[in-house]
Amino acid sequence: KNEVEQSPQNLTAQEGEFITINCSYSVGISALHWLQQHPGGGIVSLFMLSSGKKKHGRLIATINIQEKHSSLHITASHPRDSAVYICAVRWGLYDMRFGAGTRLTVKP
Amino acid sequence: EPEVTQTPSHQVTQMGQEVILRCVPISNHLYFYWYRQILGQKVEFLVSFYNNEISEKSEIFDDQFSVERPDGSNFTLKIRSTKLEDSAMYFCASSETGNTEAFFGQGTRLTVV
Repeated sequence: KNEVEQSPQNLTAQEGEFITINCSYSVGISALHWLQQHPGGGIVSLFMLSSGKKKHGRLIATINIQEKHSSLHITASHPRDSAVYICAVRWGLYDMRFGAGTRLTVKP
Repeated sequence: EPEVTQTPSHQVTQMGQEVILRCVPISNHLYFYWYRQILGQKVEFLVSFYNNEISEKSEIFDDQFSVERPDGSNFTLKIRSTKLEDSAMYFCASSETGNTEAFFGQGTRLTVV
């Protein structure tokens, strides 16, 4: 059974700080997703990774397949980045397993 | 920008009643999914659907649940006889292929009373 662990559970930062959220998983995967969940509950897909690194604006996601680990970085954090960030892994064709999420609060 | 649309946003139903949650996936997407999130818990996979049939389902997706694509645009999740523990946020998602990014709807909050 593939377990997905995220750290930290909660993170508070000051505006402008560099943020790192970590995700580790226990078995080989076909893809890893980073998702953002806003207070209203809606989920937005940020990245899908199977190797290497992706960048979109101030967000950077990396994955190390050998170490079964991924990180999501936010540069120059802003209060509007406050949300729950969820790591999810797909190791078969369709089933996805989700981490518990990291609640990020960015204070002005 | 194309998006996945779910209706209703919130549904309250009595225990034992049947509910149908509706989703309109992105038009050129071929793979459809349902997930649920019980309040305060992780998001959980329920079922995936491709080519008019279920391609994979989790242990949660028992005989009380069914999915259907009744026409070219809608994708529905039916819960036959709701239980209190079915109260959750239900998310629909779609993707172009099985290996591409999934796009999520805003969710339907189901409250069973």
